[in-house]
Amino acid sequence: KQEVTQIPAALSVPEGENLVLNCSFTDSAIYNLQWFRQDPGKGLTSLLLIQSSQREQTSGRLNASLDKSSGRSTLYIAASQPGDSATYLCALPSGGYNKLIFGAGTRLAVHP
Amino acid sequence: GAGVSQSPRYKVTKRGQDVALRCDPISGHVSLYWYRQALGQGPEFLTYFNYEAQQDKSGLPNDRFSAERPEGSISTLTIQRTEQRDSAMYRCASSLEGPYPGGEQFFGPGTRLTVL
Repeated sequence: KQEVTQIPAALSVPEGENLVLNCSFTDSAIYNLQWFRQDPGKGLTSLLLIQSSQREQTSGRLNASLDKSSGRSTLYIAASQPGDSATYLCALPSGGYNKLIFGAGTRLAVHP
Repeated sequence: GAGVSQSPRYKVTKRGQDVALRCDPISGHVSLYWYRQALGQGPEFLTYFNYEAQQDKSGLPNDRFSAERPEGSISTLTIQRTEQRDSAMYRCASSLEGPYPGGEQFFGPGTRLTVL
């Protein structure tokens, strides 16, 4: 059974820092991995999707890497801003029909 | 551009009442998923539709929960005889592709259900 763990659970940093959020999973036989952002009262916004054949994906200040053999993905946020404050979730399909298994998330607070 | 929409956004009900939660996926999306999210946790899978066919309902917690997608578009999640433990955020997601190999899922804003 796939299990997904995110570390740290919470992070508070000053504006401008470069950040690394970690996601680990137990079963390396995956199709892809998705990173989401969750804002209070809003839906989940898909940030990046990495296919199993890829090593990394980039979107603006965000870079996500995937190492299937070690069961890890990292989300790198460059030059953090207060607007980056949110909960970041990683998820990957498991158990058939592409249903997503989520980590519990990392709550990020970026203060001015 | 129309994303996934859900209604109502908030629902407060009394224990024992039935509730119906609606999901309107992105037009043309084949796959539709329902998830439930407790506070401080990630969403957990409830059920999956491929067009109108409910192909996986393994995540539904008990027989008070049911879902349908009769025309392969809008879906309704129904909870009968609600209990306080049903209180959670209910999220719907859709994906353009079928389940294999699976594509990006797009989520709606969710319905916050509170059972008093």
